[in-house]
Amino acid sequence: QQQVKQSPQSLIVQKGGISIINCAYENTAFDYFPWYQQFPGKGPALLIAIRPDVSEKKEGRFTISFNKSAKQFSLHIMDSQPGDSATYFCAASKKSGYSTLTFGKGTMLLVSP
Amino acid sequence: ETGVTQSPTHLIKTRGQQVTLRCSSQSGHNTVSWYQQALGQGPQFIFQYYREEENGRGNFPPRFSGLQFPNYSSELNVNALELDDSALYLCASSLASLAGGPGSEQFFGPGTRLTVL
Repeated sequence: QQQVKQSPQSLIVQKGGISIINCAYENTAFDYFPWYQQFPGKGPALLIAIRPDVSEKKEGRFTISFNKSAKQFSLHIMDSQPGDSATYFCAASKKSGYSTLTFGKGTMLLVSP
Repeated sequence: ETGVTQSPTHLIKTRGQQVTLRCSSQSGHNTVSWYQQALGQGPQFIFQYYREEENGRGNFPPRFSGLQFPNYSSELNVNALELDDSALYLCASSLASLAGGPGSEQFFGPGTRLTVL
């Protein structure tokens, strides 16, 4: 059972455009939703994260939109740059005695010059 | 402040062998989680260590085992290697509160690329 579903699998955006990646979750106990960026041969790097008490969080060109009732959240990359070309993973974690991340399958983003 | 480090970077083993991977957590962090990332997939949780004890395990068989040391560094051991164990193994460190609570930020190391032939 895949608890976090991510789409699209791949995405091509022109430089300066907006990249949008969507995720949906099933477990209502999840209460922490980070996005990770991964370059080839590297480990995932935490990009931005949100908790369900807010509907939007913005950091620079990166924005998370969160819809608790729909159990969906999305990453928007404004003014996309070729350096943003990477694989992006959404993840979710739940409040419990320990925290572990459940990841989506990833979106490969290519920003064309 | 140093980040999460892992060793070795790459490793090639044959089926049936055993392997040990190492991780040093980020300064100030007390919890280490291990993940397996197959090619083209998201990381899958293997287990987590807190205060030198296993604090949770994902859907991995007992031949995957680990240790955490008093300095919070950790090892992942895999016995009887299988071809499907070929993957990038990621270590992530975090700071867990005694009372639990919302998921805390996890910071990943660069990973160890394991190839099983």
